[in-house]
Amino acid sequence: DIQMTQSPSSLSASVGDRVTITCRASQSFGNYINWYQQKPGKAPKLLIYAVFRLQSGVPPRFSGSGSGTDFTLTISSLQPEDFATYYCQQTYSTSFTFGQGTKLEIK
Amino acid sequence: QITLKESGPTLVKPTQTLTLTCTFSGFSLSTSGVGVGWIRQPPGKALEWLGIIYWNDDKHYSPSLKSRLTITKDTSKNQVVLTLTNMDPVDTATYYCARSRYNFGVAESDSWGQGILVTVSS
Repeated sequence: DIQMTQSPSSLSASVGDRVTITCRASQSFGNYINWYQQKPGKAPKLLIYAVFRLQSGVPPRFSGSGSGTDFTLTISSLQPEDFATYYCQQTYSTSFTFGQGTKLEIK
Repeated sequence: QITLKESGPTLVKPTQTLTLTCTFSGFSLSTSGVGVGWIRQPPGKALEWLGIIYWNDDKHYSPSLKSRLTITKDTSKNQVVLTLTNMDPVDTATYYCARSRYNFGVAESDSWGQGILVTVSS
């Protein structure tokens, strides 16, 4: 299994802040990283796929970057609706794995 | 419009076998590159990827569940079935199915069901 380690596990921020979440893989691979947003009681929603490609309908304040083993999700200016839990996922191996999640809370 | 919906029992006893059905519309599991995966989430915990079945009947499972998990499909009914044997209270979770497709060569899950909470208790 490829292990995905997210940091931080939780984060407090204010509306308008710039926020970065990091995901580190246990082995190096290409662009097989996706990011999801999950709100309480709801199914996850795909935000970014293939490291930096924005899913249709996702606001451009969300962006992704990285390579090798280190990947980041950045929210350039937090909006009230962005407070949620975020997960990275690798789809490089035949057994996909998620990170443990980053809970983004209002400061 | 793509929809997926999980159905099955919401309460199972320890040692029993769980069978969940994912019924979908808006896409075909005969289309090259398409798959349907299963993901679960214990209350208050992280997402856990369980397994996936592809259009060509190729299947991949999480190593930790491989001995207990089977995923099958009925393309004519637009359904995918998850079977998990020897259920234990630690298997209590919300179970999701999701469509997977290749986008720029990378598998991603762009459409998800609403999830079904399955509780394991005697």
